[in-house]
Amino acid sequence: TQLLEQSPQFLSIQEGENLTVYCNSSSVFSSLQWYRQEPGEGPVLLVTVVTGGEVKKLKRLTFQFGDARKDSSLHITAAQPGDTGLYLCAGGTNTGNQFYFGTGTSLTVIP
Amino acid sequence: GAGVSQSPSNKVTEKGKDVELRCDPISGHTALYWYRQRLGQGLEFLIYFQGNSAPDKSGLPSDRFSAERTGESVSTLTIQRTQQEDSAVYLCASSFLPGAPFEKLFFGSGTQLSVL
Repeated sequence: TQLLEQSPQFLSIQEGENLTVYCNSSSVFSSLQWYRQEPGEGPVLLVTVVTGGEVKKLKRLTFQFGDARKDSSLHITAAQPGDTGLYLCAGGTNTGNQFYFGTGTSLTVIP
Repeated sequence: GAGVSQSPSNKVTEKGKDVELRCDPISGHTALYWYRQRLGQGLEFLIYFQGNSAPDKSGLPSDRFSAERTGESVSTLTIQRTQQEDSAVYLCASSFLPGAPFEKLFFGSGTQLSVL
């Protein structure tokens, strides 16, 4: 089993603060995705990274794939209440028949 | 429809009863996944279908769980003799680029299963 551990598990911050969520594994992945899930809904893809060391920015969100393709981070600048949700990382393999999802980080941004 | 549709959205059942969950993937999506999500946790892989290939059943937790898919359309996940530990949200996802680096999973809203 290729486990992806996320930290922290829970995060509650004030609007305007910055935060970083980590996704770590001992396994190498061909791709790493980040999803956000709101209550009562399925996860929605935010980004895919495929190259070791790759950094992608989407507005206030910055995603990084580790050089060894075993870990990733998600940094949010100036968090807003709309960022509240469960953030999930998912590692993809070359076989393509399974995405290994992380344990999840529940983020609450307080207005 | 435009997205992945799952039914029912909620299912309450008694321990020992069988349940059937349905997933309608996005038209044209050849790959279909079932995941289980316990409250506030990550997703646990259950089963994967890709076209006419044999499904990957490696994630099914016991022989009480089974799933079928007709061609590249509807899939049903069946849980026999339900137990309280089966209570969870069951999520279905489909994609059209299975195995590609930029494969994107489109998820349904899930079925919340509660076993009393």
